[in-house]
Amino acid sequence: AQKVTQAQTEISVVEKEDVTLDCVYETRDTTYYLFWYKQPPSGELVFLIRRNSFDEQNEISGRYSWNFQKSTSSFNFTITASQVVDSAVYFCALSESNNNDMRFGAGTRLTVKP
Amino acid sequence: DVKVTQSSRYLVKRTGEKVFLECVQDMDHENMFWYRQDPGLGLRLIYFSYDVKMKEKGDIPEGYSVSREKKERFSLILESASTNQTSMYLCASIRGGNPNQPQHFGDGTRLSIL
Repeated sequence: AQKVTQAQTEISVVEKEDVTLDCVYETRDTTYYLFWYKQPPSGELVFLIRRNSFDEQNEISGRYSWNFQKSTSSFNFTITASQVVDSAVYFCALSESNNNDMRFGAGTRLTVKP
Repeated sequence: DVKVTQSSRYLVKRTGEKVFLECVQDMDHENMFWYRQDPGLGLRLIYFSYDVKMKEKGDIPEGYSVSREKKERFSLILESASTNQTSMYLCASIRGGNPNQPQHFGDGTRLSIL
C-alpha cells in the first residue's frame, strides 16, 4: 500500500520568511498522483495542488511552489515570504492509479508569527 | 462547487452509546470516505464506499461500521462508543474512476466521548 511521510511535525517562522514543507512517499505503482491540502483553524481541508507521476515539472502559484522529484520520491512545498494567514496544518497525500483511496501524511503544522 | 455536508460540527456522547455521523454530498459522486484525524497521525481511513450498499474497510475499521443506502449519503456508525474514539471525523467524496482528482471534504465533526 502507498505511504506518505511528513517528517516535520511543527514549523514556526516569522512573517516574510521562506519555508519548505517536506513530503516523501512510497508506492509500487508507476502511475500515481500527489496532492497538497491546507487545513486552516476552521477545519475544512482545502485542496492546493495535484501532480501526476509522469509530470515532474515544478509549479509556481503566487507565493507557493512545489518541487516534485521522482528520484528521491519527494514532493516538497515552499511558501515564499510567508504570511500570518499561511498558518495552518498542511497535508501531503498520494493516490494510485488502480484505486481511489488516498493516503495522507501526518501533517505539518505551520505557524507564522507576525 | 461540490458540497459535502456533515450533520454536526461538534458532538458529545457517552461511553456505550450508539453514535451516527452523517455525510451528504450533492455532486452524484460514486466514492465516499470516512477518515479520523488525530494529532501527529494525520488522516486515517476508516471505511470507504464505491457505490450504494458497497463498503470497503480502510486502515482502522475496528469499532466502526458504515451504511450507504443512497448514493448521496454515507453514514459512519459507532456501535458502542468508547473514549478512544474521541476525535475529528472527516467525510470526503470523489467521482468514481478518478484517482487523479482531489477529494472534496466536509467541515468535519469533532466528536467527544465522555
